[in-house]
Amino acid sequence: QVQLVQSGGGVVQPGRSLRLSCGASGFTFSSYGMHWVRQAPGKGLEWVAIIYHDGSNKYYADSVKGRFTISRDNSKNTLHLQMNSLRVEDTAVYYCARQGPGSYYFDYWGQGTQVTVSS
Amino acid sequence: QSVSTQPPSVSAAPGQKVTISCSGSSSNIGNNYVSWYQQLPGTVPKLLIYEDNKRPSGIPDRFSGSKSGTTATLGITGLQTGDEADYYCGAWDSSLSAGVFGGGTKLTVL
Repeated sequence: QVQLVQSGGGVVQPGRSLRLSCGASGFTFSSYGMHWVRQAPGKGLEWVAIIYHDGSNKYYADSVKGRFTISRDNSKNTLHLQMNSLRVEDTAVYYCARQGPGSYYFDYWGQGTQVTVSS
Repeated sequence: QSVSTQPPSVSAAPGQKVTISCSGSSSNIGNNYVSWYQQLPGTVPKLLIYEDNKRPSGIPDRFSGSKSGTTATLGITGLQTGDEADYYCGAWDSSLSAGVFGGGTKLTVL
């Protein structure tokens, strides 16, 4: 069965960095685009970033562009989100999500990981 | 970046039908597929509808999706108390080269 297991996260001061990871199993990881989606406390879903199945293309939300980097290691079935220059407003639960085959939608989600940016 | 407008809340009685709209633009809903997600309190979002009107395996046919122009609609019939959740629409925005979600709609089953 498809599983996305997240790790990383925690409490960090503004301006510092954090790296999230998402381990995939139960499917051919290298065949699927992958995303990060976040949800601030009491707020709605916000798309963060996408990486194509082969890592050839990456796109980011304006709110994180230039600060966050999405990457993947297809040999280890792992997705990463490197978050630099963190801001208080980056505080959220972060989800990794698999893109469905053929078009833009999220068919499987990780369990979510809390990132809190606070001094 | 929000797709555009979803009503913040809707409500209906058990057994009734409700619709949730999601309006966008030609760069997202108008020319790209729409998906819908259900988020029960304290849980991970779950895919309900993809490619405008398709249901994943295991999603009951009480849930349906449709689209006309730049507005997508989620329909839920035979409402149950277990349907109380937040519902989000999502689409790719070709102009932004970014994903976008609607602001979310809280469904209350009275």
